[in-house]
Amino acid sequence: EADIYQTPRYLVIGTGKKITLECSQTMGHDKMYWYQQDPGMELHLIHYSYGVNSTEKGDLSSESTVSRIRTEHFPLTLESARPSHTSQYLCASAIRTRGTDTQYFGPGTRLTVL
Amino acid sequence: SQQGEEDPQALSIQEGENATMNCSYKTSINNLQWYRQNSGRGLVHLILIRSNEREKHSGRLRVTLDTSKKSSSLLITASRAADTASYFCATGQGAQKLVFGQGTRLTINP
Repeated sequence: EADIYQTPRYLVIGTGKKITLECSQTMGHDKMYWYQQDPGMELHLIHYSYGVNSTEKGDLSSESTVSRIRTEHFPLTLESARPSHTSQYLCASAIRTRGTDTQYFGPGTRLTVL
Repeated sequence: SQQGEEDPQALSIQEGENATMNCSYKTSINNLQWYRQNSGRGLVHLILIRSNEREKHSGRLRVTLDTSKKSSSLLITASRAADTASYFCATGQGAQKLVFGQGTRLTINP
């Protein structure tokens, strides 16, 4: 099991609320990622970071924002949640070994916006 | 569109049988990885094969890579109920991001 944690595991909130999904890893990995995944579907990269104070938008447009103030912490924030944000959010970190990245995933946060 | 496409989208077999899943991709890659995802959980890395390798084994897993056809296959031998999961291929391009396919949902029936 990888040392990467996500909280909360499940979240049900009303429209318009501001929420922050937490992700932390204790492996000292520089690279971290957020993916959005609908049930049974593919992963979509929404944000990534290659180190402290480095954040980039991913391949899928998202209304969320991220920050990377500490190596181990990569929170994702939705300023005003909407039903269209209902999905599973997966956080991952990566280490480069012999020129190749291997990603380690957290358990995910399943978000439902009513 | 996503780089990797798995085939089939869903596969159901009996326990003890072998399961084969395929992945096709479109551009050149440095490596290809397979991940497993149990229902409602994160992904777990299974095996990595580099672009200069053709076959790799890990326990009951066998991965092949054909760069001329831009395809890979994952074979799980002597399947068990615990192998029930979704399996994703991910291609590594250049230095940074992995691109995941849409996954194959594998069900092992007892």
